[in-house]
Amino acid sequence: GAGVSQSPSNKVTEKGKDVELRCDPISGHTALYWYRQSLGQGLEFLIYFQGNSAPDKSGLPSDRFSAERTGGSVSTLTIQRTQQEDSAVYLCASSPRSDTQYFGPGTRLTVL
Amino acid sequence: KQEVTQIPAALSVPEGENLVLNCSFTDSAIYNLQWFRQDPGKGLTSLLLIQSSQREQTSGRLNASLDKSSGRSTLYIAASQPGDSATYLCAVNTGFQKLVFGTGTRLLVSP
Repeated sequence: GAGVSQSPSNKVTEKGKDVELRCDPISGHTALYWYRQSLGQGLEFLIYFQGNSAPDKSGLPSDRFSAERTGGSVSTLTIQRTQQEDSAVYLCASSPRSDTQYFGPGTRLTVL
Repeated sequence: KQEVTQIPAALSVPEGENLVLNCSFTDSAIYNLQWFRQDPGKGLTSLLLIQSSQREQTSGRLNASLDKSSGRSTLYIAASQPGDSATYLCAVNTGFQKLVFGTGTRLLVSP
């Protein structure tokens, strides 16, 4: 069946612009996660959605980052006024419960 | 704060060798531990998940063990193949639904 999909696969933007990254989870998965993988930093948790509960935003690095999940399915991660340090691969994962997470291919963001 | 360390950072072996990748974590209060592989430019593929109550899990040529009390996990790969070349990541679920990842081991298996 279809896995987690993310778009775009690559995004190049100029410093100060806003960007939106999209994640389509596996159908029926109630949990959705965003992670960031920076060069030399490893993978870090950003935000977690579970059903209709309030999201866990504890990993968001600044108030320029926000995410929403519409209808319990598609999620959008928005970065406002992008900075060069935001350059990274942004990975989305979904899970049928709080167990194995299935990852998408990621969006590579480059901020010039 | 949970910290996850993986040793070695990189490993190069000839095809056919058995090998062990190590993962250690500082807080033994974990929900489960998961091993992933990541191919260049791709997302993560889950290999094995070990619940905190389990000691090991096996899938084909892969065997993962967990010693929660000492904060360690190992991933054993038997009869390695060039197709096993990838970065291997371990991740600890602390029960708060977010994974804490190690920095990975980059494996190269030469034909």
